[in-house]
Amino acid sequence: EAQVTQNPRYLITVTGKKLTVTCSQNMNHEYMSWYRQDPGLGLRQIYYSMNVEVTDKGDVPEGYKVSRKEKRNFPLILESPSPNQTSLYFCASSLTSSANEQFFGPGTRLTVL
Amino acid sequence: AQTVTQSQPEMSVQEAETVTLSCTYDTSESDYYLFWYKQPPSRQMILVIRQEAYKQQNATENRFSVNFQKAAKSFSLKISDSQLGDAAMYFCAYRSGVWAGTALIFGKGTTLSVSS
Repeated sequence: EAQVTQNPRYLITVTGKKLTVTCSQNMNHEYMSWYRQDPGLGLRQIYYSMNVEVTDKGDVPEGYKVSRKEKRNFPLILESPSPNQTSLYFCASSLTSSANEQFFGPGTRLTVL
Repeated sequence: AQTVTQSQPEMSVQEAETVTLSCTYDTSESDYYLFWYKQPPSRQMILVIRQEAYKQQNATENRFSVNFQKAAKSFSLKISDSQLGDAAMYFCAYRSGVWAGTALIFGKGTTLSVSS
């Protein structure tokens, strides 16, 4: 089944404790992206990757890191999480063309205390 | 910068009735794509319908159709014969066709409730 998977689905952590949210897709998509969803703000892009070893900042990159060492994986790293990073996070992937549908993972609910 | 505006935070409809969700966008580009995504309580983002800006014909997917008014920069979603399973948050989204690296730009969403 073609899908984007994220782990963990739920995470409660404390300020400053490094964490990684994994994202993997099995559709051989070049483009992968991370979004965060906050009430009243919709979804906003954090980082994206056009292909292996090619990443760039989105609209709200502060406090986040990413890497793309393999085509299928695109982990989101919070080196020192803070409470304002409490949010719902989505990973998405697509073929490179803008016309193509972005497939979303199931979301990760992160709470930083 | 492109923006997407959904002016209706909440909408309600009765089963079997028709409802229209509004979306306007601002862009100076001529090549772009518009999308409606549905987010049910499960939080999964599900593509409902897609419209290419260069196509004059409005997209249709079963009970879902759009009214795309390019000059007015309007992209409304019509849901016909509403069902309980249509209850969700709906997001309008824009993506530039100029460069493949651009993000989906989302509106703030409209929560649709469906009553029996």
